[in-house]
Amino acid sequence: GAGVSQSPRYKVAKRGQDVALRCDPISGHVSLFWYQQALGQGPEFLTYFQNEAQLDKSGLPSDRFFAERPEGSVSTLKIQRTQQEDSAVYLCASSQTSVRSPGELFFGEGSRLTVL
Amino acid sequence: GDSVTQMEGPVTLSEEAFLTINCTYTATGYPSLFWYVQYPGEGLQLLLKATKADDKGSNKGFEATYRKETTSFHLEKGSVQVSDSAVYFCALSDRNTGNQFYFGTGTSLTVIP
Repeated sequence: GAGVSQSPRYKVAKRGQDVALRCDPISGHVSLFWYQQALGQGPEFLTYFQNEAQLDKSGLPSDRFFAERPEGSVSTLKIQRTQQEDSAVYLCASSQTSVRSPGELFFGEGSRLTVL
Repeated sequence: GDSVTQMEGPVTLSEEAFLTINCTYTATGYPSLFWYVQYPGEGLQLLLKATKADDKGSNKGFEATYRKETTSFHLEKGSVQVSDSAVYFCALSDRNTGNQFYFGTGTSLTVIP
């Protein structure tokens, strides 16, 4: 597709379940970001990849959160033993440029996670 | 650390009214500044950007000028339309922090006919 694609769009999980959220960036985009957006808030940075390398994971809120991009394209954000405070929209964004040059971020529509 | 503070909403305006959404920033280096917009049911998309002081970004009738002396990047539009109803996010990207993007909390705009 032409844009960033995320799946699933909606996910309801019981507390304690593991979830996996997928992001398909725009083809050829070097940089990939994950953000967490709580209701009524702006996106909060979680982690950043340049190709397959995870260069910054300082925003991951706990060791229950794990992200990977093994082949430098598709990325998966995994949340283990979900808690209610994990309920949020998880946004993926990609950019054509590398860490040395700020470029436009292209966002997916997000995956809305609700933990019961 | 780097951060962005923007005017809280919600903002409700009549069609053809003048719009200003304030945004100020804190950054350790020389950031690039952005306004993103999120229309109902859609993902965030870039509205405009400015990469250095005194640059003016513009798109779809919206403008914002990068003011280093006041660390501001206020969004303006002279005559809003119903189709401008959306949530607007100010953001910065700072090379000193690995070009990580920092977003404001968003300002919801509703334009009524």
